[in-house]
Amino acid sequence: DAGVIQSPRHEVTEMGQEVTLRCKPISGHDYLFWYRQTMMRGLELLIYFNNNVPIDDSGMPEDRFSAKMPNASFSTLKIQPSEPRDSAVYFCASSLEGARAEEQYFGPGTRLTVT
Amino acid sequence: DAKTTQPNSMESNEEEPVHLPCNHSTISGTDYIHWYRQLPSQGPEYVIHGLTSNVNNRMASLAIAEDRKSSTLILHRATLRDAAVYYCILRGPTSGTYKYIFGTGTRLKVLA
Repeated sequence: DAGVIQSPRHEVTEMGQEVTLRCKPISGHDYLFWYRQTMMRGLELLIYFNNNVPIDDSGMPEDRFSAKMPNASFSTLKIQPSEPRDSAVYFCASSLEGARAEEQYFGPGTRLTVT
Repeated sequence: DAKTTQPNSMESNEEEPVHLPCNHSTISGTDYIHWYRQLPSQGPEYVIHGLTSNVNNRMASLAIAEDRKSSTLILHRATLRDAAVYYCILRGPTSGTYKYIFGTGTRLKVLA
C-alpha cells in the first residue's frame, strides 16, 4: 500500500500567486481530511470529505481557500491569491468508514512557503 | 468541543516504560480518546484509541481512568524511534463527525 500521496512536497511561491496542493488518498478509503500545521497554531483541520462530499469546511480560513474532491482518488486544496501567512505544512489524511474511521492515515505533507 | 491537557515535554531512558498523561475533565460520555504521534518531519501517525476500557495494541497501551477524566498512553519499552510529539485528542460522534482537534501535545525525548 502506497499510503496517502501528496504533491508537491515543497512549494515556494510569491504572494498573490495561485497555489494548488494535491492529494491521493489510500484506495478504498471513504474520508479525506485536509489539515494545516504552523508553529503558532499547531495542527488545524481545514475541511473533510465523506464519499467525495464536503462535510465540514468550518476550518477553512477564508474565501481564498477552496477544496475539491472530484473523485474518490483525488483531492485538491487551492489558495488564490496566496499570502505570506499561508506559509505552513499542509497535510492530507484519509480513513475508512465505520469503526475503522477512528484511524486516520496522514500523508507526508506539503511545505508551502509564500514570499 | 472537550479539551485535553498534556505536559509540554517528557524525557525517558531507552528501553524503559513511558507513561504519557492526558487530562480531559470535560469529556462527555460519547467522546472517544485518541492518541496520535508525530515524528520529526512526518505527518501524524495513529497510535491507539478507546472509549471506556483499557486498550492494547502492538504499539502501546491506553489506560483510561474509571471516571474517564484522564488517560495514560503507555509505551512499554521506549526506543529512540519513539521520540515524537504525542497528541491526546477527544472525538465526539456528534452528527457523525470525525473532526479531530489537536492540542499542543507532549514532546517525548528518549535518552540513549
